[in-house]
Amino acid sequence: GAVVSQHPSWVICKSGTSVKIECRSLDFQATTMFWYRQFPKQSLMLMATSNEGSKATYEQGVEKDKFLINHASLTLSTLTVTSAHPEDSSFYICSARGEGDRGYNEQFFGPGTRLTVL
Amino acid sequence: AQRVTQPEKLLSVFKGAPVELKCNYSYSGSPELFWYVQYSRQRLQLLLRHISRESIKGFTADLNKGETSFHLKKPFAQEEDSAMYYCALSVGGYNKLIFGAGTRLAVHP
Repeated sequence: GAVVSQHPSWVICKSGTSVKIECRSLDFQATTMFWYRQFPKQSLMLMATSNEGSKATYEQGVEKDKFLINHASLTLSTLTVTSAHPEDSSFYICSARGEGDRGYNEQFFGPGTRLTVL
Repeated sequence: AQRVTQPEKLLSVFKGAPVELKCNYSYSGSPELFWYVQYSRQRLQLLLRHISRESIKGFTADLNKGETSFHLKKPFAQEEDSAMYYCALSVGGYNKLIFGAGTRLAVHP
């Protein structure tokens, strides 16, 4: 089946620093990847849609200069949280669109990255 | 506005009992709906989608456009069904997903 990985799985950083999170589709190519944010005991909130070779599309209320997304290849998208602050602490999850075992396109999710900003 | 509502945060049942996890949506276009499941310490994974009219692990879900609902059902719950269940609506050209708040299903022996 299609597998999506994220790196790192958890990261702790100081306020004001930048953190990069990688999302990789391991055994398939993904022209479209998505980035979500999940607060404790809450649902996934879509942050942006990442398309290979073009600019990401951000959801309303998400600062594009704060959350930089780069989708440089068909298997890699990165999310950089710039000048991180404690309120950016959250669980960040990516997904990639690909064809599943059932023969149709679906989103495959990564395991998530827990970011803690001190 | 595009919205998915799951009114129950927690659904607690005994093994063998029927289960229904509720999901209502709000969308002006033609809806495409999914149920995702997240087992303990695992990543989110697709359970089923309405277009395929599937039965996966004994679960089924029927889209009711009149009631704007897509409830998930299983006639006899098993302990291994205990998980977090999310209803999701696909919108836009890139099929982005709008998730509901999720319902935790706890199946007791």
